[in-house]
Amino acid sequence: EIVLTQSPGTLSLSPGERATLSCRASQSISSNYLAWYQQKPGQAPRLLIYGASTTAAGISDRFSGSGSGTDFTLTITRLQPEDFAVYYCQQYGSSPRNFGPGTKVDVK
Amino acid sequence: QVQLVQSGAEVKQPGASVKVSCETSGYTFTNYDVIWVRQASGQGLEWMGWMNPESGNTGYARKFQGRVSMTRNISINTAYMELSGLESEDTAVYYCARGPRFLLYGDFWGQGTPVALSS
Repeated sequence: EIVLTQSPGTLSLSPGERATLSCRASQSISSNYLAWYQQKPGQAPRLLIYGASTTAAGISDRFSGSGSGTDFTLTITRLQPEDFAVYYCQQYGSSPRNFGPGTKVDVK
Repeated sequence: QVQLVQSGAEVKQPGASVKVSCETSGYTFTNYDVIWVRQASGQGLEWMGWMNPESGNTGYARKFQGRVSMTRNISINTAYMELSGLESEDTAVYYCARGPRFLLYGDFWGQGTPVALSS
């Protein structure tokens, strides 16, 4: 079973700053099958990135994903007020399709 | 537009079963898988399993095997998740999501169904 670790647990930033979130896997993820989601309080998760670097439809180009193997990064440029939320990574290359514990991006 | 609409909140007694429905629209139901994820209050997302609506094939997380059943009714484009032997730890919001065939990430999500246990 692949275990995902996300860091930092909380990231405190100001609007307009750049956020860099990390997702590390306990073993290599097949075909870079790694997704990123955004979740706001009381809402369902929203898909941002799949295949490690492909932006989902309708997602701002301020969101980008990179990485391969065991190390992946979600970058959010020029943070907007609506970007403050919790972000989860998920690997879907092998069973079970686990999620990471999440990174909370809050206002500094 | 793609929509997944889940059934309403449930309150159950310990040991009971709960069946959550996920009515889909805006796409061909049998062309995409359905995944189920749950989230306890203040906690992260927990993978439960998936179902292929075309074949009925399923795959469950080891933690839930023997206690979960994912089914569908193709005639009404609806998926179901039934969890039996409920315990206090099963109090959570349960989500369904559409997943591209065999890829099992969620590209469109339902609104979530809160399930609470009360004796």
